Amino acid sequence: EIVLTQSPGTLSLSPGERATLSCRASQSVSSSYLAWYQQKPGQAPRLLIYGASTRATGIPDRFSGSGSGTDFTLTISRLEPEDFAVYYCQQYGISPSITFGQGTRLEI
Amino acid sequence: EVQLVETGGGVIQPGGSLRLSCAASGFTVSSNYMNWVRQAPGKGLEWVSVIYSGGSTYYADSVKGRFTVSRDNSKNTLYLQMNSLRAEDTAVYYCARGRSGGFMDVWGKGTTVTVSS
Repeated sequence: EIVLTQSPGTLSLSPGERATLSCRASQSVSSSYLAWYQQKPGQAPRLLIYGASTRATGIPDRFSGSGSGTDFTLTISRLEPEDFAVYYCQQYGISPSITFGQGTRLEI
Repeated sequence: EVQLVETGGGVIQPGGSLRLSCAASGFTVSSNYMNWVRQAPGKGLEWVSVIYSGGSTYYADSVKGRFTVSRDNSKNTLYLQMNSLRAEDTAVYYCARGRSGGFMDVWGKGTTVTVSS
């Protein structure tokens, strides 16, 4: 099973700042199968990025994804108040093997 | 509008059984692959099960042999039969539509399962 480790666990920033969230895999992950989600308290996760770098429908362009192999990054260029939430990365592999990272909490 | 609505959660004693339902609208369950994902209180997301359009099913090791995923094409509904429930199965259970890239693009609001005596 591929383990995804997200860092940092908590990121404290202010609106207008840039956020960089990391997701590291225990084995190489195909870029086609790496996604990012946002979750706010009491809500279901929302798809942000798939294929490591493709924004989902309706996602603002301040969100961007990058990376390959075992290291992936979600960047939020200029934080808006509504961006403070928990972010998860997720990979899909053969078997199938579907795993999520433990999450990064982005707080003000 | 594409939508998923989960029902069937509740409080159940350890060792008991529960069946969750996930009604879809705006798309056809049987033409997609459908996942169950759960989230224990204060914890992260855990994938539970998937059923592919062809009918193949797969499970996380933590639920294998106890949970069964199925669907009713006539009702456009996904199910999760949960048997031999344990305290550690306590969670919000989400159903989510899977896409060919392995990501999940549509999620329900979730239904809460509490396993407690």
